[in-house]
Amino acid sequence: SQKIEQNSEALNIQEGKTATLTCNYTNYSPAYLQWYRQDPGRGPVFLLLIRENEKEKRKERLKVTFDTTLKQSLFHITASQPADSATYLCALDENGGFKTIFGAGTRLFVKA
Amino acid sequence: DGGITQSPKYLFRKEGQNVTLSCEQNLNHDAMYWYRQDPGQGLRLIYYSQIVNDFQKGDIAEGYSVSREKKESFPLTVTSAQKNPTAFYLCATEGPLQETQYFGPGTRLLVL
Repeated sequence: SQKIEQNSEALNIQEGKTATLTCNYTNYSPAYLQWYRQDPGRGPVFLLLIRENEKEKRKERLKVTFDTTLKQSLFHITASQPADSATYLCALDENGGFKTIFGAGTRLFVKA
Repeated sequence: DGGITQSPKYLFRKEGQNVTLSCEQNLNHDAMYWYRQDPGQGLRLIYYSQIVNDFQKGDIAEGYSVSREKKESFPLTVTSAQKNPTAFYLCATEGPLQETQYFGPGTRLLVL
């Protein structure tokens, strides 16, 4: 069956450290993968998109990798800050169709 | 939240009642989506519309209905047939590249 999995346990890290979140998928062949940030009680906000032919993409303190062989994406936040505390969702396109499939998200807590 | 508004922010439904959630956008996007979010689960697609006067069922359309009479508006009705409607409902649009989604602030539906 098709699955997109993110670590359901919350990630707690100290301010200034690098946070690394994982997204694994099975039985999909996405052309691209996206990461969104969601704050409690609010809608998700788009952060980054990485295509199947890209190994890595960066935006300010954010870095995303995409390994189509391992069927995995890693999302890194360097020099993390308490304001980075949120739930991070990964999402992929359903084999070029109109649907976007979202993971359940990983909650990140950054302690000062 | 960009140019997408959802109302109301909170909605209470009595048993047997139909309720309608509003979604309006001024982004001039053709594609619009409705998702349901439950704790610990990914966003699940209820309905989507690629163009005015056309819409398709998503993965969990039973107990819901939509209309798309105007490009700017995509209201969702939760009917009495939906037995477990308590959830956070998110409306989204999709940009012209049909990749990134833009979300509204959400409506939380509670059953009295």
